[in-house]
Amino acid sequence: EDKVVQSPLSLVVHEGDTVTLNCSYEVTNFRSLLWYKQEKKAPTFLFMLTSSGIEKKSGRLSSILDKKELFSILNITATQTGDSAVYLCAVELGETSGSRLTFGEGTQLTVNP
Amino acid sequence: NAGVTQTPKFRILKIGQSMTLQCAQDMNHNYMYWYRQDPGMGLKLIYYSVGAGITDKGEVPNGYNVSRSTTEDFPLRLELAAPSQTSVYFCASSYPSLWTEAFFGQGTRLTVV
Repeated sequence: EDKVVQSPLSLVVHEGDTVTLNCSYEVTNFRSLLWYKQEKKAPTFLFMLTSSGIEKKSGRLSSILDKKELFSILNITATQTGDSAVYLCAVELGETSGSRLTFGEGTQLTVNP
Repeated sequence: NAGVTQTPKFRILKIGQSMTLQCAQDMNHNYMYWYRQDPGMGLKLIYYSVGAGITDKGEVPNGYNVSRSTTEDFPLRLELAAPSQTSVYFCASSYPSLWTEAFFGQGTRLTVV
């Protein structure tokens, strides 16, 4: 059975802290790993990772994938209250007719002022 | 462009009632998906479709049905609603396997009492 596991499930930090969110997976037909941010409503796309060791960066957020150890991390530096959200990790699985996403449970991040 | 439109936004059903959650997209995406998200959990795939006339089961299809008679619409039918179907339902669409371009609807919060 395909599995995506995120840790921690919740995290409370103060503004300015740096956080690392983890995502490990055990799947067949891996194609890519994606990170989404969900604030109350629909998830919004952050990163897509397909190759090991290549860091993707967007402002204070960065992410990297290790396909040998089957995990990814999402780093957020100098956190702000606006970073408070659920961060979802999803793995794209190849299927005969296309692909689909399997999601982890998410990490609830709360950034206090 | 409206993107992905879900209706209704909220609904309360009694046990045993039926209803249809509507999802429409105006981006000519081939792929459409229905997910459910229980409190504190990630998204679980219910059904997906890679084109008009083609549908496939996801991880949690029991108690649901879908149809895809047009590219634009992908309704989700609940027959004989049960409390276990209380959840937030998200519809998503994308071009084939282009998850970086996937769009999620704003969700339908369903409560079964």
